[in-house]
Amino acid sequence: SQTIHQWPATLVQPVGSPLSLECTVEGTSNPNLYWYRQAAGRGLQLLFYSVGIGQISSEVPQNLSASRPQDRQFILSSKKLLLSDSGFYLCAWSTLQIDYDYGYTFGSGTRLTVV
Amino acid sequence: AQKVTQAQTEISVVEKEDVTLDCVYETRDTTYYLFWYKQPPSGELVFLIRRNSFDEQNEISGRYSWNFQKSTSSFNFTITASQVVDSAVYFCALSEEGGSNDMRFGAGTRLTVKP
Repeated sequence: SQTIHQWPATLVQPVGSPLSLECTVEGTSNPNLYWYRQAAGRGLQLLFYSVGIGQISSEVPQNLSASRPQDRQFILSSKKLLLSDSGFYLCAWSTLQIDYDYGYTFGSGTRLTVV
Repeated sequence: AQKVTQAQTEISVVEKEDVTLDCVYETRDTTYYLFWYKQPPSGELVFLIRRNSFDEQNEISGRYSWNFQKSTSSFNFTITASQVVDSAVYFCALSEEGGSNDMRFGAGTRLTVKP
């Protein structure tokens, strides 16, 4: 069965420090991968998505970046965190089907607090 | 571009009451998919239902039911005899033909069920 792992679960980082959040998927190959951010009490904002190794699409310009070094690994990074980067970060995967959309499967999320 | 509107920001009910969460969508495609996800306090998004645009049958799953009406571009979600465990944020989402790369989420409705 397919599973998605996301870590760490919580993170407190000072302003200006770097960030690395990791997401891995098991039990499927060539998934589409996504990073979403959810600010406190707000909806979901798509940050990045990837349809293959090394292929990253950015939805929102910001000081965050994403990389996909392996088929089932998706990393969210920042060189210098801002206070506004605080939020709940969710990784998700999907498998693109020609005739049917199965939607997303989400990881358990990382709650990031920048202080 | 597609758009999903969940006009109800917060709803509070007393246990055993029925509650309906509204979702209105906009799309130019004739083939599209609609989803509902539940986000409990733990944060992880849990898939509840998927409906494609060619299937307007309403669906019932236990205490949950969904009313899909293309004429009004709505995909409403009803919880019958609500329970405290139903307290969560509920998201409606839409993806157009071509797959999940462009899934758009509504802002979410926070449901609080009081004992």
